[in-house]
Amino acid sequence: ETGVTQSPTHLIKTRGQQVTLRCSSQSGHNTVSWYQQALGQGPQFIFQYYREEENGRGNFPPRFSGLQFPNYSSELNVNALELDDSALYLCASSFTGDHGYTFGSGTRLTVV
Amino acid sequence: AQSVTQLGSHVSVSEGALVLLRCNYSSSVPPYLFWYVQYPNQGLQLLLKYTSAATLVKGINGFEAEFKKSETSFHLTKPSAHMRDAAEYFCAVSENTGFQKLVFGTGTRLLVSP
Repeated sequence: ETGVTQSPTHLIKTRGQQVTLRCSSQSGHNTVSWYQQALGQGPQFIFQYYREEENGRGNFPPRFSGLQFPNYSSELNVNALELDDSALYLCASSFTGDHGYTFGSGTRLTVV
Repeated sequence: AQSVTQLGSHVSVSEGALVLLRCNYSSSVPPYLFWYVQYPNQGLQLLLKYTSAATLVKGINGFEAEFKKSETSFHLTKPSAHMRDAAEYFCAVSENTGFQKLVFGTGTRLLVSP
């Protein structure tokens, strides 16, 4: 079975720009969650997508948005980038009701 | 809301010594608990998880953790540290508030010296 794949692996953006990060979920998983991990911190939950809709959100502003596609892959979009958005963004896929999460290797976003 | 506390941001051991990484949780319902490992510039790899079956959970790479409800703890241990165990370790609890998400601790960096 394939694991979770994220792209790109690294990205540098300028403050105020917009960015899109991508995630392909593990085969057999139908739910995708996104986490932000700032340097030296534990991952923080951003939101979760199931059946192509957002079904849960953490304490992040609306400029963080996402999509889930019919093949369960997902995108994370961040508008009006701020310096504090610099972090490792992790995608995790799971199957609804199953407490098993598979994480991708992450996208390292640097905002300058 | 559920939460996780990891005591000690850094733990240093010698190669061959016992590894003990501490995790305490706060949960109003029987929790699902996890330990993940993160190597530099990589994502999270699941070491083991507790899902209300056996209280002693065995994971990969020789790690194990014991769920102690009376102490609200889920400490991670390994009898003999290896240099390759040097990494960041995260304890997490699965919270279900209409949807499932993981709530992570702040992490413990394990340093292994020769």
